[in-house]
Amino acid sequence: EAQVTQNPRYLITVTGKKLTVTCSQNMNHEYMSWYRQDPGLGLRQIYYSMNVEVTDKGDVPEGYKVSRKEKRNFPLILESPSPNQTSLYFCASSRLERGRGQETQYFGPGTRLLVL
Amino acid sequence: AQSVTQLDSHVSVSEGTPVLLRCNYSSSYSPSLFWYVQHPNKGLQLLLKYTSAATLVKGINGFEAEFKKSETSFHLTKPSAHMSDAAEYFCVVRNAGGTSYGKLTFGQGTILTVHP
Repeated sequence: EAQVTQNPRYLITVTGKKLTVTCSQNMNHEYMSWYRQDPGLGLRQIYYSMNVEVTDKGDVPEGYKVSRKEKRNFPLILESPSPNQTSLYFCASSRLERGRGQETQYFGPGTRLLVL
Repeated sequence: AQSVTQLDSHVSVSEGTPVLLRCNYSSSYSPSLFWYVQHPNKGLQLLLKYTSAATLVKGINGFEAEFKKSETSFHLTKPSAHMSDAAEYFCVVRNAGGTSYGKLTFGQGTILTVHP
């Protein structure tokens, strides 16, 4: 089954304790992205990757890091989490066709993070 | 740059009456447009997408949307609301060119309430 998986689904942590949220897709997609969802703001892009070893900042990258060492995985790293990073996080992936960019993005189930 | 504006943060209808969720967009390139739905405590589900083919797009569960370039709009409609349509709806534009190729920009969301 084609899918995007995220782990963990729920996480409670304390300020300053490093954490990683994993994201994996089994569709051989080139494009992967992380979003955070906050009430009244919709989803905002944190980081994205157009292929292995190619990553770039989205709209709200501060406080986050990513890596893309393998095509299927795109972990989100919070080196020193703060309460303002309490949010619902979604990973997404899609194909990337140059000149079209019309492929549907598939979303993971979400990770709900609470930073105390 | 691209942006999406959902004109109503909340829409309330009675079961069996039409639904209209409004969305305006701006994009420097010929955009791809999507509507996603999110039920409470669930992930994002694709309702429909516009990818420069027919301007009237049909999606799942009886929803459809019409792309109007002259009005830069992509409103979502359904002839008859069902209780199960109660959810939050997001209008999304995908960048088809430039340095942010492939990026999704989300509207703020419209919460649809359906009364018996």
